[in-house]
Amino acid sequence: EVQLVESGGSLVQPGRSLRLSCAASGFTFGDYAFHWVRQAPGKGLEWVSGISWNSVAIDYADSVKGRFIISRDNAKNSLYLEMNSLGPEDTAFYYCAKVGGGGGSVLGWMDHWGQGTLVAVSS
Amino acid sequence: SYELAQPLSVSVALGQTARISCGGNNIGSKTVHWYQHKPAQAPVLVIFRDNTRPSGIPERFSGSNSGNTATLTISGAQVGDEADYYCQVWDSNAGVFGGGTKLTVL
Repeated sequence: EVQLVESGGSLVQPGRSLRLSCAASGFTFGDYAFHWVRQAPGKGLEWVSGISWNSVAIDYADSVKGRFIISRDNAKNSLYLEMNSLGPEDTAFYYCAKVGGGGGSVLGWMDHWGQGTLVAVSS
Repeated sequence: SYELAQPLSVSVALGQTARISCGGNNIGSKTVHWYQHKPAQAPVLVIFRDNTRPSGIPERFSGSNSGNTATLTISGAQVGDEADYYCQVWDSNAGVFGGGTKLTVL
């Protein structure tokens, strides 16, 4: 069974940093691309960042470009999101999502999602 | 940047057909995926590649995509189908989600 478990969310002050993790199990982690998607309170889903199976292809939404860094460790079956210079606009549930279909490309459908981890940015 | 427009809400009588639209400039030239999201749960993929159902998704879910509109159709809507639904495409390697549609089954 595919499982994705996010962690690392917390209450943080504006301007600070936070690192999210996503632990994967139930499949060959290194064969697939992944994404981070967030949902601010009362808002819809927003794509944040994606990474290919081999970390060669990485993309970011304009809203986080230059502040967030996505990475992965295939040996540890883990996906990460380093978030810097956090602002209140970054307050959201953050979901990791696996890309379906194989091939390792980021440009696919998100066939499995985690339950999310909450990041709250406030002084 | 590319934008996707969805109605804020759609209501359907129990057992009837619900249609949720997703509008975008020449969206028919793109591949559309649909996600169901219920409160406090992980989003679930219900349609990928315009009209393909993942395993485990009931046959009452179907999709189409042509011109400037993609559509998610739920035939014989059930109470358990109440959720927010999002369409999604890729544009210049960036993910784009529609604003979401809240489906209410009356």
